[in-house]
Amino acid sequence: KAGVTQTPRYLIKTRGQQVTLSCSPISGHRSVSWYQQTPGQGLQFLFEYFSETQRNKGNFPGRFSGRQFSNSRSEMNVSTLELGDSALYLCASSLSSTGNTIYFGEGSWLTVV
Amino acid sequence: GESVGLHLPTLSVQEGDNSIINCAYSNSASDYFIWYKQESGKGPQFIIDIRSNMDKRQGQRVTVLLNKTVKHLSLQIAATQPGDSAVYFCAGLPGAGSYQLTFGKGTKLSVIP
Repeated sequence: KAGVTQTPRYLIKTRGQQVTLSCSPISGHRSVSWYQQTPGQGLQFLFEYFSETQRNKGNFPGRFSGRQFSNSRSEMNVSTLELGDSALYLCASSLSSTGNTIYFGEGSWLTVV
Repeated sequence: GESVGLHLPTLSVQEGDNSIINCAYSNSASDYFIWYKQESGKGPQFIIDIRSNMDKRQGQRVTVLLNKTVKHLSLQIAATQPGDSAVYFCAGLPGAGSYQLTFGKGTKLSVIP
């Protein structure tokens, strides 16, 4: 079956703009989480959604937001982009609760200039 | 606080040898662990997982050992191949009610042909 699908794969934005990234989880998976990966900070948790509800949120400013739709697809949005937001944004999905294997997509590479 | 770059531990092994990658965790409440492999430009790929009620789990060419007493995980790769060259991360889930993976810094494995 298809894995976690993220779009777009690569994008370049200008400081001050906003960006929306999309994630389609593995079929049947209802939990979707987002991570930011940078060379300096490694992999950091952004937020997690289940049944359209945010269950956990990481330590990121309010410019970072997300949502989940009834079909479990998720989007994350970053407003007022800063140079430091340049990163690989990873989406992951799992069946439901803790202790279920978590699978990652290939990520969306965001460059802010 | 000061931001410092991640200095990934590196491991170089000869093709055909066994590799052992180590990971320490700090949260004694962690009860589910996953090892991921990340190749350049790609998302983390699931390798193997283990629950805290186990101390060993084997997959194809890989074995994960968990020592809860010293809060240590290891990933053993048998007969290492050039395709195993990547960065390897361990990640943990703190337990019921939390859906946030906490990642280790990663180890860069280089296989010498």
